[in-house]
Amino acid sequence: EAGVAQSPRYKIIEKRQSVAFWCNPISGHATLYWYQQILGQGPKLLIQFQNNGVVDDSQLPKDRFSAERLKGVDSTLKIQPAKLEDSAVYLCASSLNRGPYSGNTIYFGEGSWLTVV
Amino acid sequence: QQQVKQSPQSLIVQKGGIPIINCAYENTAFDYFPWYQQFPGKGPALLIAIRPDVSEKKEGRFTISFNKSAKQFSLHIMDSQPGDSATYFCAASSQTRGKLIFGQGTELSVKP
Repeated sequence: EAGVAQSPRYKIIEKRQSVAFWCNPISGHATLYWYQQILGQGPKLLIQFQNNGVVDDSQLPKDRFSAERLKGVDSTLKIQPAKLEDSAVYLCASSLNRGPYSGNTIYFGEGSWLTVV
Repeated sequence: QQQVKQSPQSLIVQKGGIPIINCAYENTAFDYFPWYQQFPGKGPALLIAIRPDVSEKKEGRFTISFNKSAKQFSLHIMDSQPGDSATYFCAASSQTRGKLIFGQGTELSVKP
C-alpha cells in the first residue's frame, strides 16, 4: 500500500515569497491533516479535512496560510507571504476516518522541509 | 489545558537498558494516548497507543503505563537496541475533538 506522498521535499525561499506544498493521502482515506513541526518540537495541527470539508483550522494563521482539498483527495497548503518563523517541516497525514482511534490510525508523510531566509 | 508535557528532552542509554519517557496532561477529556516514533528525515509513525480504561499495554518490547489519577503516562522500551535511536513523541486526543496534541519529543540514543 502506498503511503502519504508529499512534494516538494525541500524548499528554500526568501521571506515575503510564497510557497505551496502538495499532498496525496493514502487511497480511500477520508481525513487529511496538515501539521507544522518546528525543529525540536512536536507536530502542531494546522488544518484537518474530512473529505473536502474543513473540520478544524483553529491554529491555521489564516492571514498567510491557506489550504484546500478539492474533490476530497489531494490537498495543497500555501503560505503567502512567508515569514522567517515559518521555517519548519510541513507534515501531511491521513486516516481512514475522522479521529485517531483504533482503525483510524494517522499515517504521516515524510514531510516538506521549508527554510525561509 | 490542551498541553501535553513530555520529559526528558533527551536520553542516552546503553544497549539492553530500559529507557523511560514520561508525559503528563491536564485535560481530563483526553481518552486516547498514542506514542509516535520518528526517525530523522521521516514522518512520525504510530508505535503503540492506550485508552484510559487500562493501566498498561504491551506490544513487543514497548510498554505504556497509564496513571489516570495522576494524569500521567509513560513509555518503557525493554532491551533497547541501537535501532531504537529516534525521537519519541507522546500525544493525546479526545473522542469529541479528535485532534492529536503532541508532546515536545524525546530524543533517544541507544549506545552499542
